[in-house]
Amino acid sequence: DAGVIQSPRHEVTEMGQEVTLRCKPISGHNSLFWYRQTMMRGLELLIYFNNNVPIDDSGMPEDRFSAKMPNASFSTLKIQPSEPRDSAVYFCASSLILAGGQETQYFGPGTRLLVL
Amino acid sequence: AQSVSQHNHHVILSEAASLELGCNYSYGGTVNLFWYVQYPGQHLQLLLKYFSGDPLVKGIKGFEAEFIKSKFSFNLRKPSVQWSDTAEYFCAVIPFSGGYNKLIFGAGTRLAVHP
Repeated sequence: DAGVIQSPRHEVTEMGQEVTLRCKPISGHNSLFWYRQTMMRGLELLIYFNNNVPIDDSGMPEDRFSAKMPNASFSTLKIQPSEPRDSAVYFCASSLILAGGQETQYFGPGTRLLVL
Repeated sequence: AQSVSQHNHHVILSEAASLELGCNYSYGGTVNLFWYVQYPGQHLQLLLKYFSGDPLVKGIKGFEAEFIKSKFSFNLRKPSVQWSDTAEYFCAVIPFSGGYNKLIFGAGTRLAVHP
């Protein structure tokens, strides 16, 4: 099992540019999560998909952030336009929610984003 | 609102010392409990988890945790730490409240082990 795959691993961009982060969840998992990690705010859940449908996007900071999951094996998180305060590590995680509600989230390696 | 509290933000130990990291959560119903570890510059890795059954859970790398329901606690322990255990440790809880069950993380505890 390859685990959760994220790309790119590092991204440096200039303020105002569009940034697209990509995630491939573990095959067979039915839930996908995007998190952001910063020193100041720790780990924050941005959005949660279940069976490709966004269930909770209350953590998305503002309209500049958008996420899609067109199929079970791919998701994107887009920031347009990017700002320096978006600099963080963005993690994707996936899980298989079982009938009893038990689930374990497995995290990808993250994308380190630096917006200059 | 449900929350997870990790008592120590920073812990410094010498190799071979024993480790106990505290974790308390605020929810009276059924929970799933997790400890994740994040080595410097890396992603979160699952150390161990508790769903049900034996409240003493053994994980990878010699770690264990004990679920004490009456104390709403899930403390992480290791009898003898190594330099390679230097990392940040996150306690996380899924409180089952019907519908969507969100994974709630604690703020993390940074462990530094000196040789």
